[in-house]
Amino acid sequence: GENVEQHPSTLSVQEGDSAVIKCTYSDSASNYFPWYKQELGKRPQLIIDIRSNVGEKKDQRIAVTLNKTAKHFSLHITETQPEDSAVYFCAASSRGSGYALNFGKGTSLLVTP
Amino acid sequence: DADVTQTPRNRITKTGKRIMLECSQTKGHDRMYWYRQDPGLGLRLIYYSFDVKDINKGEISDGYSVSRQAQAKFSLSLESAIPNQTALYFCATAGQGAEKLFFGSGTQLSVL
Repeated sequence: GENVEQHPSTLSVQEGDSAVIKCTYSDSASNYFPWYKQELGKRPQLIIDIRSNVGEKKDQRIAVTLNKTAKHFSLHITETQPEDSAVYFCAASSRGSGYALNFGKGTSLLVTP
Repeated sequence: DADVTQTPRNRITKTGKRIMLECSQTKGHDRMYWYRQDPGLGLRLIYYSFDVKDINKGEISDGYSVSRQAQAKFSLSLESAIPNQTALYFCATAGQGAEKLFFGSGTQLSVL
């Protein structure tokens, strides 16, 4: 089955700096790659996603890049703010697995003022 | 607003007890999922269902069973709970042909 690796497990940045979280996947059939943000005590919520026919997608301060050849994708957050502090999960899925998402283990991001 | 509701929010039980976690949704989605979250291990898939007559095992189905009673209801059972099933359990839904998951608010289960 699909195996998604996520790094780093923890990340601390100063407010205003950029943060980058990286993920790799194993199943070449995977074609959908979302990122979820989970604030403390809350449910995970989708913040951005990308499909395999696109190399990059941006939404305000958040961007995701995908390298299908290398089977890795990354989340980039620019101009970080304290409210960006949360756990971020990457995931991958394919139609062949019933669209079931396989998640990475998460990155705990702390943005200090 | 349409939502995904899980009950109970918290549950403490003893080893060997049978317990059921319930999930209901008003989103009209066909697909429903049960995930388990453990610190440092992320979210792992237990079972998923495409419709009432369809049940599929996920990565960690051993020790669990599910029932899709209706399009809107998907319950997770632990037949004989054990301490390493202590975790935060999330139900999630997705529309037909869509990949975006909508998560419930979670059930924190503690098995003593």
